[in-house]
Amino acid sequence: SQQGEEDPQALSIQEGENATMNCSYKTSINNLQWYRQNSGRGLVHLILIRSNEREKHSGRLRVTLDTSKKSSSLLITASRAADTASYFCATDSGNTPLVFGKGTRLSVIA
Amino acid sequence: SQTIHQWPATLVQPVGSPLSLECTVEGTSNPNLYWYRQAAGRGLQLLFYSVGIGQISSEVPQNLSASRPQDRQFILSSKKLLLSDSGFYLCAWSVRDSTPAFFGQGTRLTVV
Repeated sequence: SQQGEEDPQALSIQEGENATMNCSYKTSINNLQWYRQNSGRGLVHLILIRSNEREKHSGRLRVTLDTSKKSSSLLITASRAADTASYFCATDSGNTPLVFGKGTRLSVIA
Repeated sequence: SQTIHQWPATLVQPVGSPLSLECTVEGTSNPNLYWYRQAAGRGLQLLFYSVGIGQISSEVPQNLSASRPQDRQFILSSKKLLLSDSGFYLCAWSVRDSTPAFFGQGTRLTVV
């Protein structure tokens, strides 16, 4: 079953703009993770935020977590054409494998 | 450093034929291992996961099975493929469930 639901399903922006993707989930979690997938490839882990954290940064990535709303957002600042990919959130509810959402397809136009 | 190998990268198989996809991990011991399937433009569906040799948990009843004959080897199999088995199959490992997962490059399976 899928717990995380990303929004929007697809996003197209110009290079240099910021991209924001959202993820909502249903049950309590230990942590939430974001992954990136280039077309036809495996997923790459980007960032993990624990349930007791509200915000985390990694380079041009900023992740927020609101456990009261059961939602998270991924912000990519100053986007580049190379950021074009699908982005997935995945939730860890403890002692169970990660549950992935359906992903957001990001297109960054040069 | 840890690496994960998954092969083949692409596979075209006729309906009714058997399937064997292999995944191996290097550089770590006793990893959690996972098989996911991704339909075109969709999210990942967990098929099987394993926390140790011979320990397999199945998430979705279907035409597939998994085995873990060695600590760092995970095999996805089918005795008779169906058209609906087509998809992108991904193997992954993690230290434990709450840690990041590391994925192989995937196998694109087309059943014709």
